[in-house]
Amino acid sequence: GQNIDQPTEMTATEGAIVQINCTYQTSGFNGLFWYQQHAGEAPTFLSYNVLDGLEEKGRFSSFLSRSKGYSYLLLKELQMKDSASYLCAVRDRWTADSWGKFQFGAGTQVVVTP
Amino acid sequence: GAVVSQHPSRVICKSGTSVKIECRSLDFQATTMFWYRQFPKKSLMLMATSNEGSKATYEQGVEKDKFLINHASLTLSTLTVTSAHPEDSSFYICSAIKPGQTKETQYFGPGTRLLVL
Repeated sequence: GQNIDQPTEMTATEGAIVQINCTYQTSGFNGLFWYQQHAGEAPTFLSYNVLDGLEEKGRFSSFLSRSKGYSYLLLKELQMKDSASYLCAVRDRWTADSWGKFQFGAGTQVVVTP
Repeated sequence: GAVVSQHPSRVICKSGTSVKIECRSLDFQATTMFWYRQFPKKSLMLMATSNEGSKATYEQGVEKDKFLINHASLTLSTLTVTSAHPEDSSFYICSAIKPGQTKETQYFGPGTRLLVL
């Protein structure tokens, strides 16, 4: 199984940068995903890492180190609409039992203040 | 992109009744769909993996007879909450895997909010 840890809450001001860390312990690994979830809505996909390194996508970047079991999501030029919960998820390898399922961290609530 | 719909978006029912939630992939065929449950301010808890043409794989602690899953076609999976009780009130979210992509992310439906009175 997976054990996924991320901070509960982070606060930052508009225009700033925030880095959300995620550590995981895994028995199988087939990618790390970040999702954004606004209150009362379903999560939406932000980024995916399967190899070590940095993936950049506009204002959002995600980093992975498989040897350290560590990832971070970097949000730059924060906007008020970025206030949301950010979920780190690890995908299992495909097995007869697992079907490549996703395990989620508890989520990090990011609060952007004016 | 990929679109997944869920119906109904909200349902209120009396204790003891059954509720069926539908999850459809609208523009792709999904051999695998996942069903999650989410409590307020908590993360997603995987309930089961739904596989087209075979029995669902349930996570530990999830009652198979209470949460019936049927993946009847490559675009439809249903979750039926049988004999619902107030403790079943929750936000239920389905997701579908779009095959053939380099990054096989899951695409989420909009969720169904269930309230059992």
